[in-house]
Amino acid sequence: DAMVIQNPRYQVTQFGKPVTLSCSQTLNHNVMYWYQQKSSQAPKLLFHYYDKDFNNEADTPDNFQSRRPNTSFCFLDIRSPGLGDAAMYLCATSRAPGYEQYFGPGTRLTVT
Amino acid sequence: GQNIDQPTEMTATEGAIVQINCTYQTSGFNGLFWYQQHAGEAPTFLSYNVLDGLEEKGRFSSFLSRSKGYSYLLLKELQMKDSASYLCAVRDQYNQGGKLIFGQGTELSVKP
Repeated sequence: DAMVIQNPRYQVTQFGKPVTLSCSQTLNHNVMYWYQQKSSQAPKLLFHYYDKDFNNEADTPDNFQSRRPNTSFCFLDIRSPGLGDAAMYLCATSRAPGYEQYFGPGTRLTVT
Repeated sequence: GQNIDQPTEMTATEGAIVQINCTYQTSGFNGLFWYQQHAGEAPTFLSYNVLDGLEEKGRFSSFLSRSKGYSYLLLKELQMKDSASYLCAVRDQYNQGGKLIFGQGTELSVKP
């Protein structure tokens, strides 16, 4: 089945230790999004790629970076995780801007 | 500014009907989505409205009034598995990569 895959589902990292979360998709969608969702809060868009074009949200901290080496994969890099970065990180894709978004299962990040 | 309001939580009885309201004030509007999110899982798409009126899809219906900045999600013949968070999301402007602004979600508990 075509889908959005996120690995790992659970990630534990230490305060200040760089961590990378990965997302892959078999939908061949042009747009890939990264959201941060904290408990009982709305998903918050961090950035998205439209093909190779990177679009950063104005309020996304510099600590968060992203890479999209090809259509299928997109990575979220947190350079120096703080305790406040503990959250669920959701990857989503859409066929084109404005179309329905398909979400992956998320990676729950714990910072110790 | 961007603001999307939903009730924080609702309780309903199995077999009943429940209506979850959403009001929005956004700088632009190009469609409204409803997503269902079970605890610890990714949001899944339920419905999409861009024109005024009612969209029906099985047990789920969604209504939009653009002039009032208002939508609701109607769930009929409630089942226990419908216990989840329901997220209202507005697509702000098409040329921003289809950016979705999410509400905080309404936690629905279905009781026997």
